Amino acid sequence: DQQVKQNSPSLSVQEGRISILNCDYTNSMFDYFLWYKKYPAEGPTFLISISSIKDKNEDGRFTVFLNKSAKHLSLHIVPSQPGDSAVYFCAATNSGGYQKVTFGTGTKLQVIP
Amino acid sequence: SQTIHQWPATLVQPVGSPLSLECTVEGTSNPNLYWYRQAAGRGLQLLFYSVGIGQISSEVPQNLSASRPQDRQFILSSKKLLLSDSGFYLCAWSMTGSGNTIYFGEGSWLTVV
Repeated sequence: DQQVKQNSPSLSVQEGRISILNCDYTNSMFDYFLWYKKYPAEGPTFLISISSIKDKNEDGRFTVFLNKSAKHLSLHIVPSQPGDSAVYFCAATNSGGYQKVTFGTGTKLQVIP
Repeated sequence: SQTIHQWPATLVQPVGSPLSLECTVEGTSNPNLYWYRQAAGRGLQLLFYSVGIGQISSEVPQNLSASRPQDRQFILSSKKLLLSDSGFYLCAWSMTGSGNTIYFGEGSWLTVV
């Protein structure tokens, strides 16, 4: 049972434009969400997170939006840069008792110069 | 600041041989520790997590085991490797408690031949 889903395995965006990566979850107990960026043969790097008490969190070029009713979150990267080309993982957990973090299958972003 | 290291970075092992991957965390006490695997074309699969010394939770039935002999040391082992054990293994940690960001090590590439 895939509780965190990233339905787009890949995305191509022109440099300077907006990249939008989407993520859906099914477990209503999740209340803390994270995005990671991963280059080949390296460990994932934490990018940004959001708690369910918010619907938006921004950090520089990265903004995460959360729609609790739709169980959907998205990561916006503006403007996109070639160095953003990587695999992006969405993840979710529960602040009230879960010790583990569940990851999606990832979306490979390619930013074209 | 906290750091996490895992080793070896790469290894090639024959089928039926044993495995030992080691991970250590510095700069924090009583962390939650995790082993994830990224198989080719798949997301990050949680294998084991630990909330304290000697406390191991297994997420998937498999040919692997984990141990936590010290507070900040986490070991992934196998007595006899299978071809299907090949993949990219990631150690990670988070602050004690739940609903926290997890941070990954550099990863270990295992190829079983």
